[in-house]
Amino acid sequence: DGGITQSPKYLFRKEGQNVTLSCEQNLNHDAMYWYRQDPGQGLRLIYYSQIVNDFQKGDIAEGYSVSREKKESFPLTVTSAQKNPTAFYLCASSILTFKGTGELFFGEGSRLTVL
Amino acid sequence: AQSVTQLGSHVSVSEGALVLLRCNYSSSVPPYLFWYVQYPNQGLQLLLKYTSAATLVKGINGFEAEFKKSETSFHLTKPSAHMSDAAEYFCAVRTYNQGGKLIFGQGTELSVKP
Repeated sequence: DGGITQSPKYLFRKEGQNVTLSCEQNLNHDAMYWYRQDPGQGLRLIYYSQIVNDFQKGDIAEGYSVSREKKESFPLTVTSAQKNPTAFYLCASSILTFKGTGELFFGEGSRLTVL
Repeated sequence: AQSVTQLGSHVSVSEGALVLLRCNYSSSVPPYLFWYVQYPNQGLQLLLKYTSAATLVKGINGFEAEFKKSETSFHLTKPSAHMSDAAEYFCAVRTYNQGGKLIFGQGTELSVKP
């Protein structure tokens, strides 16, 4: 079955450590996104990518980095510069918006807790 | 700029009662609108979408939403709530920048009482 796989599901990190969240999709989608979810704040866009080897900052990119070396993969690194990294992180993908209605397909999420 | 506002962060209904979750949007261009559902510690699942075809949109699990341009609303309804409907619901609008990202409302948590 096609879908988006995020790993790990739960992750604990000590302050000052970088951590990388994995996101893999087999939907053959060109666009991929990372959102952060905090209670009562909805979802906020961190980074997005519409093509391999290219990505753009979203609304809250500070303290995060991404890469897009393969169409299927869009890993997110939460760096030690992110002041409040404890959150639920959601990866999503879609076809390019000019080709369709642009709904996002989401992975199951990764919950990061900083100790 | 586009935005969505969900009225009510928490809604509680009895099993079998009508579910009404409110969403108002702001958009200077014809919007694409979406409703998603999220169960605890899971990702978001698409319930339904409005893409400028029919104004009454039917989705999964018996949900539907009506696009009202004059009221800039896209409220989500279900005639009879089930216990399994308890979840968080998000309204979203597609933008025409930033890769066509979706802008989400704050979410409405739906509780269903037996």
